[in-house]
Amino acid sequence: KNEVEQSPQNLTAQEGEFITINCSYSVGISALHWLQQHPGGGIVSLFMLSSGKKKHGRLIATINIQEKHSSLHITASHPRDSAVYICAARTDGLTFGKGTHLIIQP
Amino acid sequence: GAGVSQSPSNKVTEKGKDVELRCDPISGHTALYWYRQRLGQGLEFLIYFQGNSAPDKSGLPSDRFSAERTGESVSTLTIQRTQQEDSAVYLCASSLNNQETQYFGPGTRLLVL
Repeated sequence: KNEVEQSPQNLTAQEGEFITINCSYSVGISALHWLQQHPGGGIVSLFMLSSGKKKHGRLIATINIQEKHSSLHITASHPRDSAVYICAARTDGLTFGKGTHLIIQP
Repeated sequence: GAGVSQSPSNKVTEKGKDVELRCDPISGHTALYWYRQRLGQGLEFLIYFQGNSAPDKSGLPSDRFSAERTGESVSTLTIQRTQQEDSAVYLCASSLNNQETQYFGPGTRLLVL
């Protein structure tokens, strides 16, 4: 059974700071997803990656398959980035981390 | 284009009743997933359909839960004899195939009284 751990659980930062959220998993996977869930509950898929690095705007996701670890970075953070960020590791279905509650203060 | 849609958006039911939740995936998406998120908890995988293959039901919490999908179209998740612990947001997602990004629907908020 895959165990997915995220850290930190909660993160409060000031606008403009560089944010890093970490995700580790215990067994080999075919892909890793990063999701964003806003306070209203809507979920947006940010990235799906199986190797290397992806960038979209101010968001960067990296994965190290050997170390079973992925990171999500937010550059020049903004209050609208405040959300829960969830990593999910895919084997057949998805195993989800518990999420990181991010608050960016103006 | 249209995204993943789910209905109803909210459902309140009485303990012991059956409920049926519907998911309309993005047209052409062969993979369809159901998830559940109970209040204050993380997302749980329930079931996964890929094309005409047998579904992966490994996440269904009990035999009161079942899901169907006809071809690559609509899916229904049925909960029989609902219990209060079934109260959750039920989310559906679809993807072009099982190697592609999943697109989530808005969810159905189920409350069992």
